[in-house]
Amino acid sequence: ETGVTQSPTHLIKTRGQQVTLRCSSQSGHNTVSWYQQALGQGPQFIFQYYREEENGRGNFPPRFSGLQFPNYSSELNVNALELDDSALYLCASSLGSGWGDTQYFGPGTRLTVL
Amino acid sequence: AQSVAQPEDQVNVAEGNPLTVKCTYSVSGNPYLFWYVQYPNRGLQFLLKYITGDNLVKGSYGFEAEFNKSQTSFHLKKPSALVSDSALYFCAVRERGATNKLIFGTGTLLAVQP
Repeated sequence: ETGVTQSPTHLIKTRGQQVTLRCSSQSGHNTVSWYQQALGQGPQFIFQYYREEENGRGNFPPRFSGLQFPNYSSELNVNALELDDSALYLCASSLGSGWGDTQYFGPGTRLTVL
Repeated sequence: AQSVAQPEDQVNVAEGNPLTVKCTYSVSGNPYLFWYVQYPNRGLQFLLKYITGDNLVKGSYGFEAEFNKSQTSFHLKKPSALVSDSALYFCAVRERGATNKLIFGTGTLLAVQP
């Protein structure tokens, strides 16, 4: 069974640019969540996709957007990058969005904005 | 609003000694609580969860957690620490709502000395 994978591992961008991060969910999982983890902090929820529809969003501006594809893989897009966007971006997949559904995380993408 | 607190930034323990990493929660209704571990430059690995049932939950790598409703706590424990247990530990609570969004604590760095 393949776990959650993310690409790329590291990324360096400059302020104002746009970035796309990718995530492949664990086999059989139809729900994907994205989190931002700033240095020294716990992960913060960005949004969640369930069967290709966004079904919840955290306190992040609209320049953070996403997609989920029919195979349940997902993308996180960030436009107009700001210095504060520098963080580890984590993708997590789960069987569903139910109370007991455990989220399994990928290794993350480290984004640095200069 | 749902939240968790990890009162200790760092816990030091000698190898072979028991370890405890503390977590308290604030929720309305029944809590759904999780523990994750993060190794340097890695994503989060799921350790265990409390949904309902027995107050003592057993998880991966010999870890267990004790749910205490009267003290609103969910402390992570292990009878005998290993140097390889040294990592960052996060407690999290599932938010009430349509998604299985996790709200994380600030993390506790566990350092196990040989």
